Amino acid sequence: DARVTQTPRHKVTEMGQEVTMRCQPILGHNTVFWYRQTMMQGLELLAYFRNRAPLDDSGMPKDRFSAEMPDATLATLKIQPSEPRDSAVYFCASARGAEGETQYFGPGTRLLVL
Amino acid sequence: GENVEQHPSTLSVQEGDSAVIKCTYSDSASNYFPWYKQELGKRPQLIIDIRSNVGEKKDQRIAVTLNKTAKHFSLHITETQPEDSAVYFCAASPFTGGGNKLTFGTGTQLKVEL
Repeated sequence: DARVTQTPRHKVTEMGQEVTMRCQPILGHNTVFWYRQTMMQGLELLAYFRNRAPLDDSGMPKDRFSAEMPDATLATLKIQPSEPRDSAVYFCASARGAEGETQYFGPGTRLLVL
Repeated sequence: GENVEQHPSTLSVQEGDSAVIKCTYSDSASNYFPWYKQELGKRPQLIIDIRSNVGEKKDQRIAVTLNKTAKHFSLHITETQPEDSAVYFCAASPFTGGGNKLTFGTGTQLKVEL
């Protein structure tokens, strides 16, 4: 049963520190999404990639967030510097192609910025 | 861009009763509508989806209906069980599948009481 994996699962850091979250999409999936989930804002799309190229990152604060896909098996989301308002659960999801395919979510990274 | 509204935000039913969750969307170009279930501390998981060329779809105790003219779609759960207790999210996309950008509703906390 192939699944999206994310590391770390939990992260506690202090304000101002750099945070890097990693995602391994399901093998063969060429579309990767990053979401942020908070009680107040729900599930927000931050950015997504197809074939490693960014298609839309309009939901991501550009001054402190960056997302990349160094290769087809790894997506990263970085926050530098982190702030307490970044505390949330960050989900990665992947899908195969664009049409008629389900998005599968990873287990999430629970981030707490003190 | 797309805006998805979801009601109610919380729903409490007795075991065995039916539950209905409703969503409306704003972009008439949307034609893919998935529903995700998220248990506490877990990842969102797809439970059913519908495309605009279909008015209704059923999978055991779960059904989804779509009214494109009115731009709303609903999730129906019959014979509810305690394990149905979770947060349910609707979503919409202007493409035929989940491999493209999804806009999520704000979620419905369903509680099935014994």
